[in-house]
Amino acid sequence: EVQLLESGGGLAQPGGSLRLSCAASGFTFSKYAMYWVRQAPGKGLEWVSDISGSADSTYYADSVKGRFTISRDNSKNTLFLQMNSLRDEDTAIYYCAKAAYCTSTSCSNWFDPWGQGTLVTVSS
Amino acid sequence: DIQMTQSPSTLSASVGDRVTITCRASQSISSWLAWYQQRPGKAPKVLISKASTLQSGVPSRFSGSGSGTEFTLTISSLQPDDFATYYCQQYNSYPITFGQGTRLEI
Repeated sequence: EVQLLESGGGLAQPGGSLRLSCAASGFTFSKYAMYWVRQAPGKGLEWVSDISGSADSTYYADSVKGRFTISRDNSKNTLFLQMNSLRDEDTAIYYCAKAAYCTSTSCSNWFDPWGQGTLVTVSS
Repeated sequence: DIQMTQSPSTLSASVGDRVTITCRASQSISSWLAWYQQRPGKAPKVLISKASTLQSGVPSRFSGSGSGTEFTLTISSLQPDDFATYYCQQYNSYPITFGQGTRLEI
């Protein structure tokens, strides 16, 4: 069974930093792109970032570009999101998700499954 | 960026009803569309990919259709478990974008 378990959320001050982790199991981690998607309280879903299986490609939403860095450790089956220069509007539940379908060369950018999420609150 | 617009934002229905949710893209996305269900306090779960491909384990009362810029999610006979929020998502191009959601309520 595929499992994704996020951790690292909590309270941070504006301008501060947090590092989220997502521990993966139940599949060959290095073969799949991985994603971060967030949901502000009471709001909809927003794609944040993703990284290819080999970590040679990364993508970011404009809202986080230059402040957040996605990475992965394929030896430890773990995905990361380093969040710097945090703003109030970064307050959200952050979900990690796995690419649902990948060939040997690329992944389709839809998500299955999702982790349970970790709450990040940015407030002074 | 491709904007995804869902309608309605809220839908009131009853058990046994047939309901349809519409998702419109601001430009053509071919069939690169997924639908997700999110129950309160839970992570989203994929229902349909490539506009009309039902995912394993998803009940057959769910169906998707459309291509280009207009898509629909239909639930043929609502069950109590179906009262949730539904999101469409385009994966034709970056940035990946979601619709604003449709809340299905009793």
